[in-house]
Amino acid sequence: DAGVTQSPTHLIKTRGQQVTLRCSPKSGHDTVSWYQQALGQGPQFIFQYYEEEERQRGNFPDRFSGHQFPNYSSELNVNALLLGDSALYLCASSSGQGESSPLHFGNGTRLTVT
Amino acid sequence: DQQVKQNSPSLSVQEGRISILNCDYTNSMFDYFLWYKKYPAEGPTFLISISSIKDKNEDGRFTVFLNKSAKHLSLHIVPSQPGDSAVYFCAASDTGFQKLVFGTGTRLLVSP
Repeated sequence: DAGVTQSPTHLIKTRGQQVTLRCSPKSGHDTVSWYQQALGQGPQFIFQYYEEEERQRGNFPDRFSGHQFPNYSSELNVNALLLGDSALYLCASSSGQGESSPLHFGNGTRLTVT
Repeated sequence: DQQVKQNSPSLSVQEGRISILNCDYTNSMFDYFLWYKKYPAEGPTFLISISSIKDKNEDGRFTVFLNKSAKHLSLHIVPSQPGDSAVYFCAASDTGFQKLVFGTGTRLLVSP
C-alpha cells in the first residue's frame, strides 16, 4: 500500500522563477494538505484541497497556489520565488475532510532558492 | 506569534528510562492535540492524539497527558528505546485533525 509520494525530492531554483511540486495521496485518501517547513521550525500550514477545491488556507501570499486533480493528486505552485521560500515542502493526505483522520505525510520536497 | 511552543530543543535519555516531552499552547480554541515523530529525510509520522474532552490517552509505550487549565500537554515514552531517537513535534488544531499548528520540535536521543 503506497503512502504519500512527492516529487521531485530536491529542487534548486533561482529567485524570481516559478516552481511546481507534485503529490500523490495515500491510497483511499481524497484530501490533500500542503505544509512548509523552514529550517529549525515546525511545519506551517499552506492550504488544503478537497473535491478539487481549496477548502482552507493558511497565512501565505497569493504567490502560493495549488490544484487538485480528479484522481486526488495535487500540485503546489509558487511564483516569483524569494530566497525565503527555501524550505522543505510537505504534502499530507487524509480521508474526507479528516476531522477524525490524522494526516499522513510524504517525505517532502526540499526546495532551495538561490 | 507562536501558538504552540516546545521549549526544549533537545532531550537525552538512557534506554529503558522514561522520556517526557513537553508542549505549551496559547489558543484556547484548540480542541485536538497530536504528536508526530520525524526521522531524518522522512515526513512526520503520526504517533498519538488527544481531544480536549480527555486528559489522558495511552497507546502502548506512549501516553499523552493534557492539562487544559495550564494549556500544557506532555508525551511520555516508557520504556524509551534507541529507535525512539527522532524529532518529536507537538501539533494542535481547532478543526479536528486538520490545519495543524506545529511546535518547533524536540530532538530526542535515546542512548543504549
